[in-house]
Amino acid sequence: GESVGLHLPTLSVQEGDNSIINCAYSNSASDYFIWYKQESGKGPQFIIDIRSNMDKRQGQRVTVLLNKTVKHLSLQIAATQPGDSAVYFCAESNDYKLSFGAGTTVTVRA
Amino acid sequence: EAGVTQFPSHSVIEKGQTVTLRCDPISGHDNLYWYRRVMGKEIKFLLHFVKESKQDESGMPNNRFLAERTGGTYSTLKVQPAELEDSGVYFCASSQATGYNSPLHFGNGTRLTVT
Repeated sequence: GESVGLHLPTLSVQEGDNSIINCAYSNSASDYFIWYKQESGKGPQFIIDIRSNMDKRQGQRVTVLLNKTVKHLSLQIAATQPGDSAVYFCAESNDYKLSFGAGTTVTVRA
Repeated sequence: EAGVTQFPSHSVIEKGQTVTLRCDPISGHDNLYWYRRVMGKEIKFLLHFVKESKQDESGMPNNRFLAERTGGTYSTLKVQPAELEDSGVYFCASSQATGYNSPLHFGNGTRLTVT
């Protein structure tokens, strides 16, 4: 499953499929972007980050894409697992201050 | 390594009462932040300490909120008197430095309910 274009607050995806979570940021001066995962009852957990001089960065099962032209950030999760169910936040950073997006709730269907 | 710890995990108080939230950052992290998430909205910045000094408190809603970090170790956030709109989840985070390669580590938050 994927959310394309505008940010969607929820995303339902079949286990094993790839997920794409989108985020639009507002500050063209932001030089650092981060994706966080928040599980119920826990705080945001760092997933992956990317600097503004890059357009793609890969981690374990996750890829972040940055399009500075349209101020768009996406997180791709490969082979989505039940443990990936959580709220995902993008954040833009200017030095020390993070500005978070509204969050996307991802639900993985068995 | 112990993570960021926050206490209490939940607090329910009546309007007009006082509540104090505590945050213990990761040992050695000079940077400490407070954020909050109100009613399922986005997580918003409240303030930033470097050691015991407030670097930026531009996100503090009003003067009913007071944050301290005496000695540059743990921090407290006091709300006095609490109002209904203060309900939400208050997160503390810490980092060694700022910017790239120094991500914020968040605690599990304190869920505050003002009735």
